[in-house]
Amino acid sequence: GQNIDQPTEMTATEGAIVQINCTYQTSGFNGLFWYQQHAGEAPTFLSYNVLDGLEEKGRFSSFLSRSKGYSYLLLKELQMKDSASYLCAVRGRSGGSYIPTFGRGTSLIVHP
Amino acid sequence: KAGVTQTPRYLIKTRGQQVTLSCSPISGHRSVSWYQQTPGQGLQFLFEYFSETQRNKGNFPGRFSGRQFSNSRSEMNVSTLELGDSALYLCASRPGTAQDTDTQYFGPGTRLTVL
Repeated sequence: GQNIDQPTEMTATEGAIVQINCTYQTSGFNGLFWYQQHAGEAPTFLSYNVLDGLEEKGRFSSFLSRSKGYSYLLLKELQMKDSASYLCAVRGRSGGSYIPTFGRGTSLIVHP
Repeated sequence: KAGVTQTPRYLIKTRGQQVTLSCSPISGHRSVSWYQQTPGQGLQFLFEYFSETQRNKGNFPGRFSGRQFSNSRSEMNVSTLELGDSALYLCASRPGTAQDTDTQYFGPGTRLTVL
């Protein structure tokens, strides 16, 4: 089976940096995704990692260590609009299918 | 380019009924995936269709089924509705040219309430 763990809630100050961690257990690892979801809206894609290392995309970066089953999403220069839920998802093998399994999400609250 | 559209946006049904939800992917996208999101279980994968064939399937009972048409539009059906089927049902599309790496675009979802 697959298991994803991420913190339930985090708070940070506008302009600061925050790191959201995600640990996972999966068979047949085939990629890790981060999504942002604002309340009442659909998730939007942030990043994808399949090889070890850091992927940078503007204010957002994502890191992956496959040997440790660990990823983090780094948000720099936080803005109020970054207050949202951040979902970590891992694609792995289940039977004959590749299935994405999502964590429960980390609710990030950015305050002035 | 228009985004992923889902109809209807809201739906109320009673236990035992069946329901069909529709999803139109972004033009040119051939892969459509369906998800269920609830406060208790979070976001869970239902199934993925590519070129009218089910390519991947999550761990949901057979009451949940889907299909994809030649124009890539997809429908999801839930039969014999249960109270626990109340959820936000999300559809997502991607080009499908590379199964493992394509960015996925979500639609706004259909909010299903079962009474």
